[in-house]
Amino acid sequence: EIQLQESGPGLVKPSQSLSLTCSVTGYTITSGYDWSWIRKFPGNKMEWMGYISNSGSTNYNPSLKIRISITRDTSKNQFFLQLNSVTTEDTATYYCARFDYYSNIMDAWGQGASVTVSS
Amino acid sequence: DIQMTQTPSSMPASLGERVTISCRASQGISNYLNWYQQKPDGTIKPLIYYTSNLQSGVPSRFSGSGSGTDYSLTISSLEPEDFAMYYCQQYDSSPPTFGAGTKLELK
Repeated sequence: EIQLQESGPGLVKPSQSLSLTCSVTGYTITSGYDWSWIRKFPGNKMEWMGYISNSGSTNYNPSLKIRISITRDTSKNQFFLQLNSVTTEDTATYYCARFDYYSNIMDAWGQGASVTVSS
Repeated sequence: DIQMTQTPSSMPASLGERVTISCRASQGISNYLNWYQQKPDGTIKPLIYYTSNLQSGVPSRFSGSGSGTDYSLTISSLEPEDFAMYYCQQYDSSPPTFGAGTKLELK
């Protein structure tokens, strides 16, 4: 059974970078699917941030394109989110998820990592 | 970006009740509409893909329908574990976008 687990700092200062790791077990991230980041803001709005494909290509939400980077370490079966120049508006719960491009649904999710941006 | 208007934002309901949640897209999305459930502990579960296809393991009391710009999720008879947040999400065009969510609460 696939499992995804987010990890990283829960508090980031404004103007700094937010970095999160998604550790995947039960499936090899180079075998298929795309690997996504989604966030949920206080107040329940959800935003798709982007993904890294099983071949390593990336696709980002244009609203974040100049600040976001998604990378991976295939040896550790992990993928990463970096969001630069954060503000308090980036305070959210960050989820990693597997995207099934056949059914076009995110079919497995991590439990989420809460990140607060505050000085 | 395609805007998704989800209604209602909250819905009090009783065990055994039939409920329907609606989602309207700002333009036609050709049935590329998914539904997700988020439990109070934060865990997110996919329910339905491509308007009406149940994800593996999802109970048959859940169903989806719709076309064009208007879509809905119906739960035929509420069970205790169904009280949660529900989100629609379109993927007809990038970036994928979500509705604002519906909180299903016990009346």
